[in-house]
Amino acid sequence: NAGVTQTPKFQVLKTGQSMTLQCAQDMNHNSMYWYRQDPGMGLRLIYYSASEGTTDKGEVPNGYNVSRLNKREFSLRLESAAPSQTSVYFCASGTSQGWNSPLHFGNGTRLTVT
Amino acid sequence: GDSVTQMEGPVTLSEEAFLTINCTYTATGYPSLFWYVQYPGEGLQLLLKATKADDKGSNKGFEATYRKETTSFHLEKGSVQVSDSAVYFCALTLKAAGNKLTFGGGTRVLVKP
Repeated sequence: NAGVTQTPKFQVLKTGQSMTLQCAQDMNHNSMYWYRQDPGMGLRLIYYSASEGTTDKGEVPNGYNVSRLNKREFSLRLESAAPSQTSVYFCASGTSQGWNSPLHFGNGTRLTVT
Repeated sequence: GDSVTQMEGPVTLSEEAFLTINCTYTATGYPSLFWYVQYPGEGLQLLLKATKADDKGSNKGFEATYRKETTSFHLEKGSVQVSDSAVYFCALTLKAAGNKLTFGGGTRVLVKP
């Protein structure tokens, strides 16, 4: 059971470079999420997709874009990376079996922008 | 807005000690409450949850009781092990928000043999 798979695990970018973080889930979940984790701040929601074909902004969307490619895949793109985007990024997925069903998380992508 | 506040760490304990991590919340509705755990190098995984007042969530020896009157959901374990060393996150979700979670800042726990 793979669950939620994120690639890459680590990435170093220079300021102004672009990259796409990939996420795929094999649990047939409808909703998918991108969070960033910063020390002392917990996880903050960047973007989410409640179902295939829809995306919405979360708490900290500036500087990011997303694509819900199909039901399985949800990618996060940084068009022009900035040092403030140095963080650990987590993808998560959730069922529609009730609004308070728990989320399933990937193992994260550690991104450093120099 | 909705928010979760939990005690800052790190919390350092000896094996078999009692662990408490405080968590309080502010919410505009009636939230469901969660504790997630993150082991080194891994993603978050659900530890326990409670969906209404006075519910007690429990798992792997951890417990937390949903206290609506004090807006709290403190995590406790009676006898910790080295393998409990991790970062613990308190979180809430509201019906109006769907599955979207609001997290506290996380508490790092280190258990020494």
